[in-house]
Amino acid sequence: EVQLVESGGGLIQPGGSLRLSCAASGFTVSGDFMNWVRQAPGKGLEWVSVIYIAGTTYYADSVKGRFTISRDTSKNTLYLQMNSLRAEDTAVYYCARDVPSLNWGQGTLVAVSS
Amino acid sequence: DIVMIQSPDSLAVSLGERATINCKSSQSLLYSDNNNNYLAWYQQKPGQPPRLLISLTSARESGVPDRFSGSGSGTDFTLTISSLQPEDVAVYYCQQYYRTPYSFGQGTNLEIK
Repeated sequence: EVQLVESGGGLIQPGGSLRLSCAASGFTVSGDFMNWVRQAPGKGLEWVSVIYIAGTTYYADSVKGRFTISRDTSKNTLYLQMNSLRAEDTAVYYCARDVPSLNWGQGTLVAVSS
Repeated sequence: DIVMIQSPDSLAVSLGERATINCKSSQSLLYSDNNNNYLAWYQQKPGQPPRLLISLTSARESGVPDRFSGSGSGTDFTLTISSLQPEDVAVYYCQQYYRTPYSFGQGTNLEIK
């Protein structure tokens, strides 16, 4: 059974950094496209980033240069390093397998506020 | 970047009636090499992650009731629920995966009239 479990969210001050993790089971993260998608409170879905099987990465313009997607094959885990956080980054962050995404985690909440 | 616009933003339909949600992309999602349109539809209920309903414009995922159907090509797409059921109350999103950034529509809130 495929499972995705996000962790690492929390309350952080503007300008701070957080690293989100997404622990995968039932498949290997290096064998699929893996995405981060976020949803601000009461708002719609926003695609954030993808890492392809070959390791190529892409980002939404809103996070480019501040966020970095990566994976650890030994831990079968996807990461999102988020730096220079802003209030508008406040959202539930989901990891999602493949494009389009059949499997999603339950999400982890990131709240950026002073 | 490809912009996805859904209409309407909100929709109220009687039980058993048809619901139609539209999605328009700012660029064609048709890949000519294989004649596939790279458009997906998701359903999201409160407190839950999205659920993939349809990929490649019209291919229903396993377990999705056949009252859900997708159609369209190029820049104009439609999700149709043929006979609305109470469990279909949700927000529906289209997503293009023709090229990055893999943008979503703004969502359509579907309610019971």
